[in-house]
Amino acid sequence: DTGVSQDPRHKITKRGQNVTFRCDPISEHNRLYWYRQTLGQGPEFLTYFQNEAQLEKSRLLSDRFSAERPKGSFSTLEIQRTEQGDSAMYLCASSSRQGGITEAFFGQGTRLTVV
Amino acid sequence: TQLLEQSPQFLSIQEGENLTVYCNSSSVFSSLQWYRQEPGEGPVLLVTVVTGGEVKKLKRLTFQFGDARKDSSLHITAAQPGDTGLYLCAGVFPNFGNEKLTFGTGTRLTIIP
Repeated sequence: DTGVSQDPRHKITKRGQNVTFRCDPISEHNRLYWYRQTLGQGPEFLTYFQNEAQLEKSRLLSDRFSAERPKGSFSTLEIQRTEQGDSAMYLCASSSRQGGITEAFFGQGTRLTVV
Repeated sequence: TQLLEQSPQFLSIQEGENLTVYCNSSSVFSSLQWYRQEPGEGPVLLVTVVTGGEVKKLKRLTFQFGDARKDSSLHITAAQPGDTGLYLCAGVFPNFGNEKLTFGTGTRLTIIP
């Protein structure tokens, strides 16, 4: 296991289409996060799973966004009816809590361009 | 809302100079991480600090956690072009059962050869 893997790395889609991204976390990590990052900004929290349970979802996230983590392994993030404002880098991270410390490791991200 | 502010937002210095960037919050962190991110890539974890007053060193990088665990600094000695990147701090705030990682706005560092 070499780290967090995200697929695809790049996605170009037309406005109004649905897109789905996949994240495979580090295998022993029980926590998984999705973030969105626009150019020049820090990552913005979207949602967070502990095992298969979705513990928190950002209030900034519209109903067009949904995330799942079946069986507490990989996760998918779906965006329905994409808008140009959805264009961003979507980052996935996973972590485990060891010794009372949470350290998150990120994938390389999926860059979404909505045209 | 728990916010992390980083300063400066942009920093451009000559190779060989020293620099310090800061991360501040009005809330106490359980732990704080520093990441470096290069264009088109995900953030890479540099260090985690947990104890107030803690100092950690990673080659030419020195990380310090404030005594009250509300702030942190990153000092780079003799900066090199390879240090160029976006430096992000991220904190975990005490919230039972929730390990959400909140990021700062980042400091974009450019080292000029």
